[in-house]
Amino acid sequence: DQQVKQNSPSLSVQEGRISILNCDYTNSMFDYFLWYKKYPAEGPTFLISISSIKDKNEDGRFTVFLNKSAKHLSLHIVPSQPGDSAVYFCAASTGGSNYKLTFGKGTLLTVNP
Amino acid sequence: DAMVIQNPRYQVTQFGKPVTLSCSQTLNHNVMYWYQQKSSQAPKLLFHYYDKDFNNEADTPDNFQSRRPNTSFCFLDIRSPGLGDAAMYLCATSRDKRLAGGLKKRNEQFFGPGTRLTVL
Repeated sequence: DQQVKQNSPSLSVQEGRISILNCDYTNSMFDYFLWYKKYPAEGPTFLISISSIKDKNEDGRFTVFLNKSAKHLSLHIVPSQPGDSAVYFCAASTGGSNYKLTFGKGTLLTVNP
Repeated sequence: DAMVIQNPRYQVTQFGKPVTLSCSQTLNHNVMYWYQQKSSQAPKLLFHYYDKDFNNEADTPDNFQSRRPNTSFCFLDIRSPGLGDAAMYLCATSRDKRLAGGLKKRNEQFFGPGTRLTVL
């Protein structure tokens, strides 16, 4: 039973355009959400996070939006660059426990020059 | 540079032959984790150490054990690897920060590059 779902295995966008990666979750106890980026042959690296008390968090070209009623979050990358090509994992955790992250399967983003 | 190191990067073992994967960190983080990631699947937490306290996930098979002899090192032991244990194994660390009022500061996990295990 997947509690964090990334329904798009892959996404391809043109350089300079917006990339939107989506994530849905089923566990209403999740209250902290993270996005990780993973290049081949490397471990996942933290990108951006959002607490459930917010609906938006922005860091440079990266913005995460959270819609709690829909149990949905999205990562926007604007403008997209070829170096953004990687697998993006959505992850979630519950209150009081930073220790357990539940991951989605990831979305492979390809940014074409 | 402070980092999480995993050795070896690629490990081949035979069915049933015990194997140990290692993880070390120079971040001085008090929490260390082991994840298993099978092809096209989400990373799945196997267990974690909070300082010396071992915390096993309920669905982690008994075949998987872990040791943390000191802050810097953590090992994953697979006692009798089966074909289904072939996967990428990711080690991660984080620092638990306690704030006033008993709150915890949320801290991201730092991952190593992983060890890809092949079982023949």
